[in-house]
Amino acid sequence: QKEVEQNSGPLSVPEGAIASLNCTYSDRGSQSFFWYRQYSGKSPELIMFIYSNGDKEDGRFTAQLNKASQYVSLLIRDSQPSDSATYLCAVRKTGSSNTGKLIFGQGTTLQVKP
Amino acid sequence: ETGVTQTPRHLVMGMTNKKSLKCEQHLGHNAMYWYKQSAKKPLELMFVYNFKEQTENNSVPSRFSPECPNSSHLFLHLHTLQPEDSALYLCASSQVSSGNTIYFGEGSWLTVV
Repeated sequence: QKEVEQNSGPLSVPEGAIASLNCTYSDRGSQSFFWYRQYSGKSPELIMFIYSNGDKEDGRFTAQLNKASQYVSLLIRDSQPSDSATYLCAVRKTGSSNTGKLIFGQGTTLQVKP
Repeated sequence: ETGVTQTPRHLVMGMTNKKSLKCEQHLGHNAMYWYKQSAKKPLELMFVYNFKEQTENNSVPSRFSPECPNSSHLFLHLHTLQPEDSALYLCASSQVSSGNTIYFGEGSWLTVV
């Protein structure tokens, strides 16, 4: 079983729709969860992080965490063509205090069609 | 974002060559990382340096040799690589244990022929 799993997609949504990106993780002790966006040929950039069960909103982005189900998701409201990218889910290694010791999923490619 | 700079951006090398990737961070961070991103595979953590001391080697083959002379600079020395080592190599930095963000460099695209 992969430590962090994502559907590779592509996920295609029309402009203005809600895009829902999902991620599951295997280590029940995981505490910190991150969503990165990576445009083609570019490096990943952090969109959001979440630590607690429930929802966390930042502009058009909402991260949702359910530790009981070991599931984290990212919702993008009012999707724009500029949101077309690969979205990476990452989990901080359990027991690590190092900010950057992350385990990544393989990413979901999102295509927002005008 | 120019906080973490990597050179070269593109590198083509033969299997018998020796080359190095360089990373420099201008953010005052005390931790630096090498990640590898291969096609169709997740980003993989390779090495971790805290205060220029290596704290993690994630079972990386010895043909990859990291060096961290100070908290701002990180190198990845490459020798006798294989074609399957062709990938995007990303350097990142952060504070060791505070904050929630690591900053990635733009990466070095490596092709081994």
